[in-house]
Amino acid sequence: GAVVSQHPSWVICKSGTSVKIECRSLDFQATTMFWYRQFPKQSLMLMATSNEGSKATYEQGVEKDKFLINHASLTLSTLTVTSAHPEDSSFYICSAQSRGRGGYNEQFFGPGTRLTVL
Amino acid sequence: KQEVTQIPAALSVPEGENLVLNCSFTDSAIYNLQWFRQDPGKGLTSLLLIQSSQREQTSGRLNASLDKSSGRSTLYIAASQPGDSATYLCAVSLAGTALIFGKGTTLSVSS
Repeated sequence: GAVVSQHPSWVICKSGTSVKIECRSLDFQATTMFWYRQFPKQSLMLMATSNEGSKATYEQGVEKDKFLINHASLTLSTLTVTSAHPEDSSFYICSAQSRGRGGYNEQFFGPGTRLTVL
Repeated sequence: KQEVTQIPAALSVPEGENLVLNCSFTDSAIYNLQWFRQDPGKGLTSLLLIQSSQREQTSGRLNASLDKSSGRSTLYIAASQPGDSATYLCAVSLAGTALIFGKGTTLSVSS
């Protein structure tokens, strides 16, 4: 149980295009989802916190107009990278949190999405 | 601002050795601490979660301890195996907030 999926697992796109990444909690309702980014040989850095039905909260330095986050349901959050550029190439990982699952506010992570912008 | 530091950054050991990975955090007001494993190009696998009120957690050959007052945690791996080779990440959180990660320790276990 407590499975989080991400789609796609990898994507290659041209510079200037937009890419949508989906994060789904498969067997529980996620009141909160988090989006992280990981550059090569670096640790995970939080991009934004997404609560169902409300606007996402972005970390300092993360452009909200470039990284659009939608958390329309308790099982789905999407991250859209708009007008992607090569510097946006990274590993994007989501996590989902539910008070009723895992206890203690444990977060369950998706498998990640590798984005390469040419 | 909470900062998480992991030492060493990399570690190479022969198979069978017991080893300790270290994690320190600057603000002791944490809600929980988690240890993860990450294989190259892959996502995270949760290994152990320790609540702020707990001292340690064990799973198989893994044992994680937490000393909240000193801002330290250790991950002990007994009888290491080549399959343990991966990057180990330590992360802390406040209640209901995102995790703050260290940069990880990359472990290589040779056969």
